[in-house]
Amino acid sequence: QVQLMESGPGLVQPSETLSLTCTVSGFSLTSYNVHWVRQPPGKGLEWMGVMWSGGSTDYNSALKSRLSISRDTSKNQVFLKMNSLQSEDTTTYYCAREGNWELQYWYFDFWGPGTMVTVSS
Amino acid sequence: DIQMTQSPTSLAASVGESVTITCLASEDIYGSLVWYQQKPGKSPQLLIYGATILEDGIPSRFSGSGSDTQYSLKINSLQPEDFASYYCQNGLSTPRTFGGGTKLELK
Repeated sequence: QVQLMESGPGLVQPSETLSLTCTVSGFSLTSYNVHWVRQPPGKGLEWMGVMWSGGSTDYNSALKSRLSISRDTSKNQVFLKMNSLQSEDTTTYYCAREGNWELQYWYFDFWGPGTMVTVSS
Repeated sequence: DIQMTQSPTSLAASVGESVTITCLASEDIYGSLVWYQQKPGKSPQLLIYGATILEDGIPSRFSGSGSDTQYSLKINSLQPEDFASYYCQNGLSTPRTFGGGTKLELK
């Protein structure tokens, strides 16, 4: 069955770089897009970026200068790296698979459980 | 970027009541509107896509409507498990922007 699982350090020092991994199973990264979404405690969802099935990426313009998304299809993994972390980057990070209905409507049909990252010294 | 504005931000209702949440897109998204439900400590769950299409396994008391820039999520006969947060999302273009969310609480 389809599964996504985020993994990462949990605690990151201010100004350091965050590295997260989304490990997927039950589908191919070359057939589905995988997005990253984050959510500060008690707040709403923020779209961060996407690894398209074809291998290209797009980013939230507010994060673009700090964010990089890559993948290793042989390991079924998508990676997120974000540098210059500050306290406002303390959030839960999710990866999500994007499904579609007849290539007309797009939606996030499977999500990982999320990984909480705290930025603190 | 397409902005998504949800209202209300919070809503109190009783079991058995019906509620409606609205989502306004800053431009026409041609029906590519997605609704998610999120319970505390859990990841979001897909409810509706294409503005009106119910995801498999979602109870029929949930329904979506709308077109162009205006969309709604209606929940009929609220059940205890429906008290959660709800988010709309632009499913048309990148960035895949979300609405600010609506927290549905028990009155």
